[in-house]
Amino acid sequence: DGGITQSPKYLFRKEGQNVTLSCEQNLNHDAMYWYRQDPGQGLRLIYYSQIVNDFQKGDIAEGYSVSREKKESFPLTVTSAQKNPTAFYLCASSISAGPGNTIYFGEGSWLTVV
Amino acid sequence: GQQLNQSPQSMFIQEGEDVSMNCTSSSIFNTWLWYKQDPGEGPVLLIALYKAGELTSNGRLTAQFGITRKDSFLNISASIPSDVGIYFCAGTNTGNQFYFGTGTSLTVIP
Repeated sequence: DGGITQSPKYLFRKEGQNVTLSCEQNLNHDAMYWYRQDPGQGLRLIYYSQIVNDFQKGDIAEGYSVSREKKESFPLTVTSAQKNPTAFYLCASSISAGPGNTIYFGEGSWLTVV
Repeated sequence: GQQLNQSPQSMFIQEGEDVSMNCTSSSIFNTWLWYKQDPGEGPVLLIALYKAGELTSNGRLTAQFGITRKDSFLNISASIPSDVGIYFCAGTNTGNQFYFGTGTSLTVIP
C-alpha cells in the first residue's frame, strides 16, 4: 500500500518531556512537511524539507525540531520548550517543488499533554 | 503565512441537495486542491486543478479553477449522509509552499 504512515495515532506527554512523532512515506516524494491543526483553525506549517539532509522552518517552528536523514522519513520532535503542544499533527509529502505539485497527507497524530 | 478565505464556514443541508463552496486568495496560484477531512483523520485529496478555467469532476464532486487564478469553487451534487465532514481548499504558486483555507463544515440531514 502506498502512502504516508504516521505513528503513534495517540500520544500523551507529561510536562517537561520531549516526544517524537514518526512519519514515513513510500511515495518516493522529495518534499515532506509537518503541520499543526488546532480546533477551528487552519493548518499551520511547522517545518518542511525539500531534500534529504535539508529542512526549513515554517510559521510556528519554535519548540519543535526535525531531521531528514532518509528520503522516506521525517520525524518531528515536540520539545519541552513548546508551551502548548496539545494538538493534531499532520505529516504530508509532495513530489517536489514546481507547477502542478500536489500535497498528500498522513492520517494524523493526536498529542495530549497530561 | 497567508490563509485563504473559504466560505461558507458551515452548511446544514438536507440529503439530496446540492452544495457549493468557494475559496479566494489575495495572490495568484497555479494549483488549486480540494480536500475532505473526517474528524480525527488526515485530509484526503478530492480534486486537483492545474490550469486557469479548468473544470474537473470526481463522481458527484465538481471543482473549478477560477480564470483570475485567485479563486476556486467546489460543488457537491445530490448530497448523501457520508458527505459529512470538513472540506478545505489549498493553493500553491511555487509548489513548495502550500496555503490552506480554514474549511467548510458540512452537515447533511437525512
